[in-house]
Amino acid sequence: DVKVTQSSRYLVKRTGEKVFLECVQDMDHENMFWYRQDPGLGLRLIYFSYDVKMKEKGDIPEGYSVSREKKERFSLILESASTNQTSMYLCASSLVTDYGYTFGSGTRLTVV
Amino acid sequence: TQLLEQSPQFLSIQEGENLTVYCNSSSVFSSLQWYRQEPGEGPVLLVTVVTGGEVKKLKRLTFQFGDARKDSSLHITAAQPGDTGLYLCAGAGAGNMLTFGGGTRLMVKP
Repeated sequence: DVKVTQSSRYLVKRTGEKVFLECVQDMDHENMFWYRQDPGLGLRLIYFSYDVKMKEKGDIPEGYSVSREKKERFSLILESASTNQTSMYLCASSLVTDYGYTFGSGTRLTVV
Repeated sequence: TQLLEQSPQFLSIQEGENLTVYCNSSSVFSSLQWYRQEPGEGPVLLVTVVTGGEVKKLKRLTFQFGDARKDSSLHITAAQPGDTGLYLCAGAGAGNMLTFGGGTRLMVKP
C-alpha cells in the first residue's frame, strides 16, 4: 500500500522554537507539497518541490523553509515558531497532477 | 489566479437522503478531482474526471465534469453516516498544480 508518512500526528512547541516536520513517501514521486489547513481558510500551499534539492514558494511561505535532500523526503521547517502557525500541516506527493495527490495523515501543531 | 468555489459549505442531512455538492470556476481545468477527508486524517482521492461531460460512478457517488471543464458536481444517493466528512474538489491547471476548493462539510445523521 503506497504511503506518505508524516513523522508526528500531534506536536506541541513553544514560541520561538525551531520546528521540523518530516514527510516521507515510498512511491518514487517527483512532486512533493506542504499545505496548512485552517478552519474557514481551506488548504493553503506553503512550499512545493519538483525534484531533489529544488523548492518553490507557494502561497504562504513566510516563516517557513523546506529541505529536500533525498527524493523521498520533504521537510518543512518553522524557523521560529509563532502562535499563528498553530495549524494542521499536510504533506502530499504526486507523480502527475492529473493522477491526484496522495496525502499524509497530517501533523496537528500547537504553538504555545 | 485560478479559483474553485464549492457549495454548499455545510450540509447536515438524515440517513437515506440524497445530496449534491457543486464545484465551480471561471477557469478551465485539465482534470477535476474529488477528495474526502475524515477528522484527523489527510484527504483521500475519490475520483479524477478528465473529459468534458464525463460521468463517473463509485457505488452511491456520481461525479460529473462540466462540458466546458470549468465545473463539477458530486451526487450522493441514499447517504449513510459513513459518508460524513469534508469533501474537497481540486482542479489541475497551469504549472502542474492543483487548485483546491474551500470544501463542503457533510454530516449524515442516523
